[in-house]
Amino acid sequence: DGGITQSPKYLFRKEGQNVTLSCEQNLNHDAMYWYRQDPGQGLRLIYYSQIVNDFQKGDIAEGYSVSREKKESFPLTVTSAQKNPTAFYLCASSVLTSGSNEQYFGPGTRLTVT
Amino acid sequence: GQNIDQPTEMTATEGAIVQINCTYQTSGFNGLFWYQQHAGEAPTFLSYNVLDGLEEKGRFSSFLSRSKGYSYLLLKELQMKDSASYLCAVRDDSNYQLIWGAGTKLIIKP
Repeated sequence: DGGITQSPKYLFRKEGQNVTLSCEQNLNHDAMYWYRQDPGQGLRLIYYSQIVNDFQKGDIAEGYSVSREKKESFPLTVTSAQKNPTAFYLCASSVLTSGSNEQYFGPGTRLTVT
Repeated sequence: GQNIDQPTEMTATEGAIVQINCTYQTSGFNGLFWYQQHAGEAPTFLSYNVLDGLEEKGRFSSFLSRSKGYSYLLLKELQMKDSASYLCAVRDDSNYQLIWGAGTKLIIKP
């Protein structure tokens, strides 16, 4: 089955610790994205990548880092510099051709930092 | 600035029809998307409009008017499983990224 996997589904960390969220896709999509979702707000783009070894900052990149060493993988690190890290994190991927290029989402990781 | 507005919450009755509106003001436009998101789950793609008019897909239809910066999602023959949040998103034509509305939570009552 093709799709996007994120792990773990729930993650708990203490304040001051870095944490890495996994995102893997076997859809052969070129583009991958990380979003953050908070109650009452739209999805906000953290980082995106359209090609291996290249990525761009989104609207709220501060306190986050990513890598794209393989086409299938786009891990997100939430660093201790992120002031409000508790949120629902969604990874997505899409093709980059003409047309709708809709984004396909993983199941999400709910991160709680105390 | 970039702004997408949707009602926060709507309530409808099983078997009825509901229309969820979305208005947008963005610096560029390259298509409008509707996604469905059940609580605690990932958004799933429903529809895409890039030209004016109505796109019908089963019980769901989506309409776009680019001149008015307006779209709606129409859900017919509502079922309890349609209880979810419905997200409107506009693709910016400068960087092809999506700008998301906050979503409309749809509650279906028997």
